[in-house]
Amino acid sequence: GAGVSQSPSNKVTEKGKDVELRCDPISGHTALYWYRQSLGQGLEFLIYFQGNSAPDKSGLPSDRFSAERTGGSVSTLTIQRTQQEDSAVYLCASSLRLALEDTQYFGPGTRLTVL
Amino acid sequence: AQSVTQPDIHITVSEGASLELRCNYSYGATPYLFWYVQSPGQGLQLLLKYFSGDTLVQGIKGFEAEFKRSQSSFNLRKPSVHWSDAAEYFCAVVIKAAGNKLTFGGGTRVLVKP
Repeated sequence: GAGVSQSPSNKVTEKGKDVELRCDPISGHTALYWYRQSLGQGLEFLIYFQGNSAPDKSGLPSDRFSAERTGGSVSTLTIQRTQQEDSAVYLCASSLRLALEDTQYFGPGTRLTVL
Repeated sequence: AQSVTQPDIHITVSEGASLELRCNYSYGATPYLFWYVQSPGQGLQLLLKYFSGDTLVQGIKGFEAEFKRSQSSFNLRKPSVHWSDAAEYFCAVVIKAAGNKLTFGGGTRVLVKP
């Protein structure tokens, strides 16, 4: 079956521009996560969504970062006024439920380069 | 602070030789433990996980890991490495009280010599 998909696969932008990254989770998965992978910080959690509950935004590094999940499926991560330190690979994952036992399945990521 | 440590940044191993990747965590309670693999240009793939019970866990691709509470460790092993095992490996934990967020170690890059 189809896995987690992300678009675009690569994004190059200029400092100060806004970017939107998209994630399509596995069909039927109610939990969706965003992580960031960068050379300086490694892999770090950003935010997760579970159904209609309020998202856990505790990992977002600044108020320039936001995310939404429409219709309980597709999610968009938005970075406003991008900075060079935002350059990273942004990974999306989904799981059947928000349960510790449920495996998180990862997408291939979006590589963001801020010039 | 909670943390996951993978002491080895790089490991080089000959094809057919055994492999062991180290992982240590620092938490008050036993976390849920995971090993993921990331091949070049690929997303993260779960190799195995430990929640409770038998401390020796079998995973995919011939990998296994052993949880040792006394050492706060969850080391990954494979008896005989194949060239396709060249990748980066990440140990991760989830703490129930902190919600379902994976906290990752820094990763170990494995190179396989022919």
